Amino acid sequence: QQPVQSPQAVILREGEDAVINCSSSKALYSVHWYRQKHGEAPVFLMILLKGGEQKGHEKISASFNEKKQQSSLYLTASQLSYSGTYFCGTAYRWGTYKYIFGTGTRLKVLA
Amino acid sequence: EAQVTQNPRYLITVTGKKLTVTCSQNMNHEYMSWYRQDPGLGLRQIYYSMNVEVTDKGDVPEGYKVSRKEKRNFPLILESPSPNQTSLYFCASSLEGQGEPYEQYFGPGTRLTVT
Repeated sequence: QQPVQSPQAVILREGEDAVINCSSSKALYSVHWYRQKHGEAPVFLMILLKGGEQKGHEKISASFNEKKQQSSLYLTASQLSYSGTYFCGTAYRWGTYKYIFGTGTRLKVLA
Repeated sequence: EAQVTQNPRYLITVTGKKLTVTCSQNMNHEYMSWYRQDPGLGLRQIYYSMNVEVTDKGDVPEGYKVSRKEKRNFPLILESPSPNQTSLYFCASSLEGQGEPYEQYFGPGTRLTVT
């Protein structure tokens, strides 16, 4: 079952902050975040592992709450280039290479 | 340049005419995967491969075949395409991240229309 993301869509002005949530009904081993700009392929942003290890993007941060089976992506001081659709993704369980993406969040940043 | 290439980028075909979409990566990645993207349904995994000769089904494998004879190539085969396979297809590759795929690199996509 797909992780559910919220909100489905958000519109911001440049400089504003946003939070995108990813919630799973199953236990998560790790969470990955991707951004897809219109007409392009998804691009990796960040990975969060059980135990709190975090890697990724310098201007975007994220958290991973294993007990709540949730992850949140934080975009601060948004720029026009942040516009796109954001997906969380996970392999759900260590040792499985089957991969599933979340429902997606469309983000548009206005000047 | 490190990249994943797909061919063709655009394809219009008719129902039942076998086709192959090629995917190649030059990063020596163990893991490769195919996804389809449809409006309102997001990205769904079709098949994946952990290494040469090792493949497995994703969430939507019906109507598709794959093979992994070489590490760099992972073609997607539609033996008898149907209109419900009209979609945007992405190939991706990554290093094997100790029990799961790591950062996935995506190809540019193949837009397939089946009439």
